[in-house]
Amino acid sequence: AIRMTQSPSSFSASTGDRVTITCRASQGISSYLAWYQQKPGKAPKLLIYAASTLQSGVPSRFSGSGSGTDFTLTISCLQSEDFATYYCQQYYDYPYTFGQGTKLEIK
Amino acid sequence: EVQLVESGGGLVQPGGSLRLSCAASRFTFSSYSMNWVRQAPGKGLEWVSYISGSSSTIYYADSVKGRFTISRDNAKNSLYLEMNSLRAEDTAVYYCARGYCSSTSCAQDVWGKGTTVTVSS
Repeated sequence: AIRMTQSPSSFSASTGDRVTITCRASQGISSYLAWYQQKPGKAPKLLIYAASTLQSGVPSRFSGSGSGTDFTLTISCLQSEDFATYYCQQYYDYPYTFGQGTKLEIK
Repeated sequence: EVQLVESGGGLVQPGGSLRLSCAASRFTFSSYSMNWVRQAPGKGLEWVSYISGSSSTIYYADSVKGRFTISRDNAKNSLYLEMNSLRAEDTAVYYCARGYCSSTSCAQDVWGKGTTVTVSS
């Protein structure tokens, strides 16, 4: 199975900050990479698919980049509603696998 | 609004069985692949199983292969997960999620709220 490694696992930031989360695949996955946001007690929400395509309705402050093995999720100007846990997922090959998650907390 | 609603979770003893259901509404169910994804308490997301729109293609995570069976009934707009030989490590919230596909590679764009399965004696 393809292993997905996110960094950092958690960090603190302030409203208005620009933050970047990294996701690395153990082998090349082309651009078959999705990012999800999950808030406590809620289902995950698709933010970005195909590594850089914003899902409909997702604010433009979210962006994704990368291909092959290295990917990033950037939030350009943190809002209060962005404090959540973020997961990357490869859907290049089965079994689909998620990163371990990055918990974004308020500083 | 597109909706997925899971049901069937509960408390079951180790070695027992449970059948989860997911009712889909407000989209053409048969046109979409579907998935089950789970999340153990305090842990991350784990993809469990995939089924194509026609049920012709099915995949499982190694952790559930041989114990879980995914199926669907397009006439009833429903997805199922039959879980047998349940273990404590199967304890989780189980989500059904719609496939959002480029060719045969699919992210998951619509998720239900989940149903909780607890395996304990």
